[in-house]
Parts: sequence; structure tokens; C-alpha cells
Amino acid sequence: GAVVSQHPSWVICKSGTSVKIECRSLDFQATTMFWYRQFPKQSLMLMATSNEGSKATYEQGVEKDKFLINHASLTLSTLTVTSAHPEDSSFYICSARDRGDGGGYTFGSGTRLTVV
Amino acid sequence: AQSVTQPDIHITVSEGASLELRCNYSYGATPYLFWYVQSPGQGLQLLLKYFSGDTLVQGIKGFEAEFKRSQSSFNLRKPSVHWSDAAEYFCAVGVTSYDKVIFGPGTSLSVIP
Repeated sequence: GAVVSQHPSWVICKSGTSVKIECRSLDFQATTMFWYRQFPKQSLMLMATSNEGSKATYEQGVEKDKFLINHASLTLSTLTVTSAHPEDSSFYICSARDRGDGGGYTFGSGTRLTVV
Repeated sequence: AQSVTQPDIHITVSEGASLELRCNYSYGATPYLFWYVQSPGQGLQLLLKYFSGDTLVQGIKGFEAEFKRSQSSFNLRKPSVHWSDAAEYFCAVGVTSYDKVIFGPGTSLSVIP
């Protein structure tokens, strides 16, 4: 089945630095990927839709200049948290849809970001 | 706007007992419906999905769900729960026209040995 790989699985960074998270579709091409954010014991909140070769579509309230998304190829999307602050500490999860799989969204294993 | 509700924040069942997790959605058209499971600190695993056709959907790990249009529900069931089923369960709606998924708040399942 479809596999989505997400790296790193966890990262600790200092306040003010930037962190890049990668999301790769390993055995299928994904023209669209999605980035979610999950706070402890809460649900997943969609941050943005990443479109290959074009600008990402951000959900209301998500700062596009803070959360930079790049989808340069059909198998890779990256999320960069710029000038990270402790309140950005969260669990970030990406997903992609394998259209050849009849639908259904495959999720990465997530990235635990801690900003100190 | 599309939304998903899961009325039960936390459920505790005994091992071997049956399970039903409730999910209600709000969407104008026929939605894509999903159930995902998440273990602590892990990503999400798809249990099952409904797009069309038979309203009773079979999934992995012995789970099934039934789509009831009249009730706008998509409840998840399992006849006999195992201790390893303890996890967080999320119901989700696929917004077909925008190709994105909206998640419910989740139900935390605890299993008593």
C-alpha cells in the first residue's frame, strides 16, 4: 500500500531558529499533500494544502510567512517553521492521497517539534 | 461549513466486550468518510473508509462501520475488543470538492484487562 515517510520524527530547536520537516510519498506520486498540526490530546487541525508546482493553500489563521511550504516534486513536500517559538511546539503530520488507491489518505508518522 | 463530531471524549470497555464509537458529520453532499486510529506519539493508521456503495464497510483489525445518511452518522464497531485496541480514534470527513480532510475531536479508548 501507499507509504508516506516523514522526517525527522522528532526535533528540538532553539527559539528563533528555523526547522524543516520533510514529507515523502515513497511509492506513489502525490500532486497534493496536506500538513496538519496536533496539540497534546487534541485533534488534527489542517494547516495547509501543498500543491506540486504551485503555492500552498493555507487555512484561515495559519501564518503563511511562518510556516513555509514547498512542494517541488511529485513525491516531496517540506514544511519549514521559521523563527520558531515555544508556542510552535507541537506534533506535525503530513498526508497524501494516492489516487491510484481508490482514495484514502495516507499519513506520515509525524514530527514532534519542541522549541526551547 | 463541514464538521465532524464525536460525542464521546473517552470510552472504557472490558477486553472481549463489544465497542461502538459514534461519529456524526455535517456536509451538504455525500461525503468521503474515514476512521483513523492513533497510538500515543504515532501517526495515523486508516481503519476503513466509505465513498459509496454498501453502507456497511469492513476495515482492518476486525473493525466495521456503517454509514447512515438519514442520521448523518458513521459509527465504528468491533464485536470483541482486544487490549491492543487502546488508542485514540478519529472520524474524518473528506471534502471532495476541495480534496481535504476534516477531523473530529477524537475518542480515547481504554481497555480494561
